[in-house]
Amino acid sequence: QQQVKQSPQSLIVQKGGISIINCAYENTAFDYFPWYQQFPGKGPALLIAIRPDVSEKKEGRFTISFNKSAKQFSLHIMDSQPGDSATYFCAARGGSEKLVFGKGTKLTVNP
Amino acid sequence: KAGVTQTPRYLIKTRGQQVTLSCSPISGHRSVSWYQQTPGQGLQFLFEYFSETQRNKGNFPGRFSGRQFSNSRSEMNVSTLELGDSALYLCASSLLGTMNTEAFFGQGTRLTVV
Repeated sequence: QQQVKQSPQSLIVQKGGISIINCAYENTAFDYFPWYQQFPGKGPALLIAIRPDVSEKKEGRFTISFNKSAKQFSLHIMDSQPGDSATYFCAARGGSEKLVFGKGTKLTVNP
Repeated sequence: KAGVTQTPRYLIKTRGQQVTLSCSPISGHRSVSWYQQTPGQGLQFLFEYFSETQRNKGNFPGRFSGRQFSNSRSEMNVSTLELGDSALYLCASSLLGTMNTEAFFGQGTRLTVV
């Protein structure tokens, strides 16, 4: 059973546009929600993370929105750039659960 | 500070063979987790080691095994390789384990089984 469901599987955005990736979870024990960015040939790298005591966290052009009641969280990339083209993974952990990942979203930002 | 080092970066093996992959975590980190990444399944958890003890195990067959040494370096072994084992194998290093501390990934070992 997939603990974190991520959508869409792929996303194409024009330069300057907003990229939005969504994730949903079931386990209410989860209390930490990171996003990872992976470029081809590289391992995933932590991009930004949020805890459920806040509804939004912003770091530069990257924002996480968190909806605890709906058990959903999303990544927004403002002013998307070709250099943002990568695969993005949402993840969650909490309680006795190890870090679990969504299946990833391949983002392509066209110039 | 040096990052997570995985060796080798690329491997080509034949069905039925066995393979050993190595991971050196960030200095001071005591936990190593292993993941299998494939295009269709994303990142699937294999196992996690902390201070030489396996703390968590994913849903993989017994052909997949691992160990951690006293210096926190870890190895994973896959025996009787199958075509479906072709994947990117990622190692994640964390201070105390991914349940409560940040995970830092290596670049992975790309295993191709022919």
